[in-house]
Amino acid sequence: GQNIDQPTEMTATEGAIVQINCTYQTSGFNGLFWYQQHAGEAPTFLSYNVLDGLEEKGRFSSFLSRSKGYSYLLLKELQMKDSASYLCAVRDGLGDYKLSFGAGTTVTVRA
Amino acid sequence: ETGVTQSPTHLIKTRGQQVTLRCSSQSGHNTVSWYQQALGQGPQFIFQYYREEENGRGNFPPRFSGLQFPNYSSELNVNALELDDSALYLCASSASRGNNEQFFGPGTRLTVL
Repeated sequence: GQNIDQPTEMTATEGAIVQINCTYQTSGFNGLFWYQQHAGEAPTFLSYNVLDGLEEKGRFSSFLSRSKGYSYLLLKELQMKDSASYLCAVRDGLGDYKLSFGAGTTVTVRA
Repeated sequence: ETGVTQSPTHLIKTRGQQVTLRCSSQSGHNTVSWYQQALGQGPQFIFQYYREEENGRGNFPPRFSGLQFPNYSSELNVNALELDDSALYLCASSASRGNNEQFFGPGTRLTVL
């Protein structure tokens, strides 16, 4: 099975940086995903890591360490619109390519 | 290119009833996955369909069933509804089983009374 842990809530100030950590214990691994979900809306894809290291995409970066079962999502130059839930998900790659999600981290950006 | 669409948007049912939720995948996508998201939780995988065949199932009872049609649209059926089935049901499509990016629809909010 899959066990994916991430903090429940984080608060940061507009313009600041926030790092959301995700640790996982899975029976298989074929990639780690980060999704953003605004309240009442569908999750939208942010990033994908399958090899160790940092992937940068604009204000968002994601890091993966497979040996440690650890990832983080870094949000820079925070904007009010970044207030949302951030979901960490692991694909186990055991044939059905399903995603196993963490419970999500609610980020609140204050002015 | 249209995105993933789901219908209905909201639905209210009573315990014991049956419900069918529908999903139209994004153009060119042959894989559809269904997820259940309870309030304050992450989505939980129900099952995946690839080219009209079930391609994996999560930890859900058999009263959760599905179909995928030749045009790759999909249905989720839930029989004998229980109160705990109240959730947001999300459909996600991807260009293939192993594709990195799943595109989610807006979801169907199901309330069971």
